[in-house]
Formats: sequence, C-alpha cells, structure tokens
Amino acid sequence: ETGVTQSPTHLIKTRGQQVTLRCSSQSGHNTVSWYQQALGQGPQFIFQYYREEENGRGNFPPRFSGLQFPNYSSELNVNALELDDSALYLCASSLELGFQETQYFGPGTRLLVL
Amino acid sequence: TQLLEQSPQFLSIQEGENLTVYCNSSSVFSSLQWYRQEPGEGPVLLVTVVTGGEVKKLKRLTFQFGDARKDSSLHITAAQPGDTGLYLCAGARGGSNYKLTFGKGTLLTVNP
Repeated sequence: ETGVTQSPTHLIKTRGQQVTLRCSSQSGHNTVSWYQQALGQGPQFIFQYYREEENGRGNFPPRFSGLQFPNYSSELNVNALELDDSALYLCASSLELGFQETQYFGPGTRLLVL
Repeated sequence: TQLLEQSPQFLSIQEGENLTVYCNSSSVFSSLQWYRQEPGEGPVLLVTVVTGGEVKKLKRLTFQFGDARKDSSLHITAAQPGDTGLYLCAGARGGSNYKLTFGKGTLLTVNP
C-alpha cells in the first residue's frame, strides 16, 4: 500500500508569484485535507476535499485554492505569494469523512518565499 | 486563535526519565489525537481517544482523555533517545467536516 506522497519536497519562490503543490492520497482514500505548518507552530487547517468537492475551509484567504481529481489526488494553489506563506505544507488523506477516521500525513512540501 | 494549549513547549531530559506532556482546551472535542513529528516528515498518528476518561497505553506511552473531553495528557515512561521529536495533540469535532485543530506541540529531546 503506497502512502501519501507530496511534490515537490522543497520550493523557493518570490513574492507575488504563484505556486502549485501536489498530493497523492493513500490508495482508496477519498478525503484529502491540506494544512500549513509555520516554523514553531502546529499545523493549521486550510481546507478539505471529499470526492472532488470542497468540504470545509479554515481561515485562509481566497488566494489559497485547491482541487481534487477523480483519482482523489489533490492540488493546493497559492496566488500572489507573501513572505508569511513560507511554511511546510502538509496534505493528509483518510479513507472516509468522520472524526474517528485516521488521517495519514505526507512528508510535506517546504515552501520558502523570498 | 489557538484552541489547544500544549505544555511544556520544550522538554529536554535524560534517557530513562519519565515525562508528561499536557494538552488543554476550553472547548469540547469529539476525539483527540496525538501525533509525533520528526524533522522533515509529516506527523504520524500515535493514538486517538474518543471517550471521556479514556486511557490508552502504547508500550511505554500512556494517553489519557479528560472526563469532560477538553484536555489530554501523554506520559512516557523510561524515555529513550528514539522518543525524540515534536509531539502534537489535535482535536476533532463531530460533523461532516473532519478538521483537525492542532496545538503548537511539545519538542522533546531525550539525551543518551
């Protein structure tokens, strides 16, 4: 069984640019959540996708957007990058929705905005 | 707003010592999870507690969920260098949106 994978592992961008991060969920998992983890902080929920539809969003501006594809892989897009967007971006997949479902995290993409 | 407060933020101990990490909130959660995160990796789930007062043991780790489901603790007995890492607690509420609210974490260093 393949775990959650993310690409790229590291990325450097400049302010104002746009970035796309990718996540392949664990086999059979239909739910993907994205989190932002700033240095020294716990992960913060960005949004969640369930069967290709957004199913909840945290306190992030609209320039953070996402997609989930029919194979349940997912993308996180960030437009007009700001310095504070520098962080580790984590995606997590789960078999189904539900507060008792285990979320399996990928290794993350470390984004640096200069 | 950080709804989950973890303490201590940093902990450095010697191998063989015992330790307890706390996770407190003013909110009620349907479930609470503990993760360990190592540098360059995503969080790995250690345990999920659901019932108020629940105690779960995982080898040398003991997890407790408060009776009111607002707080939790993680106790490690005879810590080993391999226990070094960032310990995160995360709460989830019921409903269709499975959103985890994380604490800031406790960075544990176990020195040989």
